[in-house]
Amino acid sequence: DTAVSQTPKYLVTQMGNDKSIKCEQNLGHDTMYWYKQDSKKFLKIMFSYNNKELIINETVPNRFSPKSPDKAHLNLHINSLELGDSAVYFCASSQELGQPQHFGDGTRLSIL
Amino acid sequence: AQTVTQSQPEMSVQEAETVTLSCTYDTSESDYYLFWYKQPPSRQMILVIRQEAYKQQNATENRFSVNFQKAAKSFSLKISDSQLGDAAMYFCAYRRTSGTYKYIFGTGTRLKVLA
Repeated sequence: DTAVSQTPKYLVTQMGNDKSIKCEQNLGHDTMYWYKQDSKKFLKIMFSYNNKELIINETVPNRFSPKSPDKAHLNLHINSLELGDSAVYFCASSQELGQPQHFGDGTRLSIL
Repeated sequence: AQTVTQSQPEMSVQEAETVTLSCTYDTSESDYYLFWYKQPPSRQMILVIRQEAYKQQNATENRFSVNFQKAAKSFSLKISDSQLGDAAMYFCAYRRTSGTYKYIFGTGTRLKVLA
């Protein structure tokens, strides 16, 4: 069974659209994260939730809104997509805040 | 602010040989964690090894070991007996032990393993 699963794996869409990426972990972890990996492979944290509460919110446009319905899920919704949003987005989870993270396989988002 | 630098964008190693990937970091903290993550072409991010800054002993995990030089702020990864499956991007990461728990990643080193 996949520990951290993201859907979809690939997402191709037009500029201006709204899209969501889902993430689920079956590890029983309390903390979940979203990272953005740009074309230069630089990995940067966007958000972190601990027990459904937002604890890290980096300088990310308001168009990005994470939602955690329960501690096993952390979805990422993006409004008004822009060309610069093209990247691979990784979800991750850890047992508790700051512990080593287990990553999902990533979602490649391409904006046309 | 903390930073993590990987100065080698790409490295190559012959199968069964040993390779060392470099990582330096900058921090004013005395206690922190350092990590190496592996990202194969499948895009998964896999934790390879972890080092606590307060421990002088270098961490080891099977064929993977680190050379942690705290004074020099250096944290290199040594891969012994390299295998074709080791080919991947390797990321060095830093995390404080208190305050904000976000990870700071380097830009990665692509490792090629030659048969």
